[in-house]
Amino acid sequence: DVKVTQSSRYLVKRTGEKVFLECVQDMDHENMFWYRQDPGLGLRLIYFSYDVKMKEKGDIPEGYSVSREKKERFSLILESASTNQTSMYLCASSTKREQYFGPGTRLTVT
Amino acid sequence: GQSLEQPSEVTAVEGAIVQINCTYQTSGFYGLSWYQQHDGGAPTFLSYNALDGLEETGRFSSFLSRSDSYGYLLLQELQMKDSASYFCAVRRYGGATNKLIFGTGTLLAVQP
Repeated sequence: DVKVTQSSRYLVKRTGEKVFLECVQDMDHENMFWYRQDPGLGLRLIYFSYDVKMKEKGDIPEGYSVSREKKERFSLILESASTNQTSMYLCASSTKREQYFGPGTRLTVT
Repeated sequence: GQSLEQPSEVTAVEGAIVQINCTYQTSGFYGLSWYQQHDGGAPTFLSYNALDGLEETGRFSSFLSRSDSYGYLLLQELQMKDSASYFCAVRRYGGATNKLIFGTGTLLAVQP
C-alpha cells in the first residue's frame, strides 16, 4: 500500500513563527504536492515538486516555500506564520493517474 | 483562466442513484478525476477519465465529454457510507503532467 505520512495531525503556532510541515512518501513517486483545504474553497495547490530539488509554484504560493532534498520527503515552510494561514494542509504524492494523500495537518495560527 | 463547477450539496436516499455533475474551463486539459473525502479524512482516488465515455468501477461510474467540457460521477445503490464530499479535478499540464485543479466539492448526504 502507498503510504503518505505527515509529521503532525494538529499544530498550534503563534503569529510570526517559522513553521515546518513535513511529508514523507514510501512509493518512490517523483511528483509531490502541498495543498491547503478551507471550507467552501476545496483544495488549492500551494507548491509541487516533480523531482529532487525541483519545485514549481501552485495557485497560492504567497507566504510559503518548500524544500525537497530527498525524493521521499517534501517540506512546506511558512516563513512567518499569519492567522490567515490557519487551515488544513494536505500533502500528496502521485503516479500519472492517481494522487495519494496524507492524513493532513490542521494548523492553527494564533 | 480555469474554473470547475459542481453542485455544493446533494441529498439522496439509500439504494438510490445519484449523479454529480462537473463542468470545467481550462487550458492544457488532460483528463478529469474524481476524489472522495469523508469528514475528517484524506481525499481518496475514485476514477480518472482521459477519453470521452463512461468508466465503470463497481457501484461508481464516471463520464467525460471533452467537447462539452463536462463530466459526471454516478453512484448507484447508494449506501450510508457513501455520505462524503466528492471533488472533481482537472488534470492539466503544469511542469508535472499530473497537476490537478480541484473543484470546491459536492457534499453528498445519504439518508435512510
